[in-house]
Amino acid sequence: QKEVEQNSGPLSVPEGAIASLNCTYSDRGSQSFFWYRQYSGKSPELIMSIYSNGDKEDGRFTAQLNKASQYVSLLIRDSQPSDSATYLCAVNRGNQFYFGTGTSLTVIP
Amino acid sequence: KAGVTQTPRYLIKTRGQQVTLSCSPISGHRSVSWYQQTPGQGLQFLFEYFSETQRNKGNFPGRFSGRQFSNSRSEMNVSTLELGDSALYLCASSLEAQANTIYFGEGSWLTVV
Repeated sequence: QKEVEQNSGPLSVPEGAIASLNCTYSDRGSQSFFWYRQYSGKSPELIMSIYSNGDKEDGRFTAQLNKASQYVSLLIRDSQPSDSATYLCAVNRGNQFYFGTGTSLTVIP
Repeated sequence: KAGVTQTPRYLIKTRGQQVTLSCSPISGHRSVSWYQQTPGQGLQFLFEYFSETQRNKGNFPGRFSGRQFSNSRSEMNVSTLELGDSALYLCASSLEAQANTIYFGEGSWLTVV
């Protein structure tokens, strides 16, 4: 079983819609949770981190964490074409990062 | 301030050769970690160095090795290259060891033919 699982997509949403990205993790000992954005041919860029149950909002991005269900999600409101990228979910457990394989998001103008 | 710098950005090697990749962390950052990214496996942790010591190691064969210098710059080496080693190799730096926030370099694209 992989440490972090994501739906690889591709996920397509129209411009202005809400994009919902989901991630599950296998180990309850995971302590910290992250979302990275990776444009094609570029390196991952940290966009959100969340450490406790509930929602965390930052601009158009909202991260949601449910430790009981071992589930992390990222909502992107008012999606823009510039949001088109691969989104990587990562967890930090035992001071080591584990990444999902990413979900490809395309925002259609 | 300057980000994480990796060199070379692109390289092509032949099976059986060895390769050395270099990473200069963000100024003041003392921890460097290395990841391999492939389409099928995603980002996989190779190892982490802090103060010239390897602090953590992923599940990769001994052909993969690394080191860190006193100025925090790091190198990773892959010996006896295999076709499956073709990947994007990413270096990430952080202020301290095993930190929660890591910053990635642009990566080194390695193709083994």
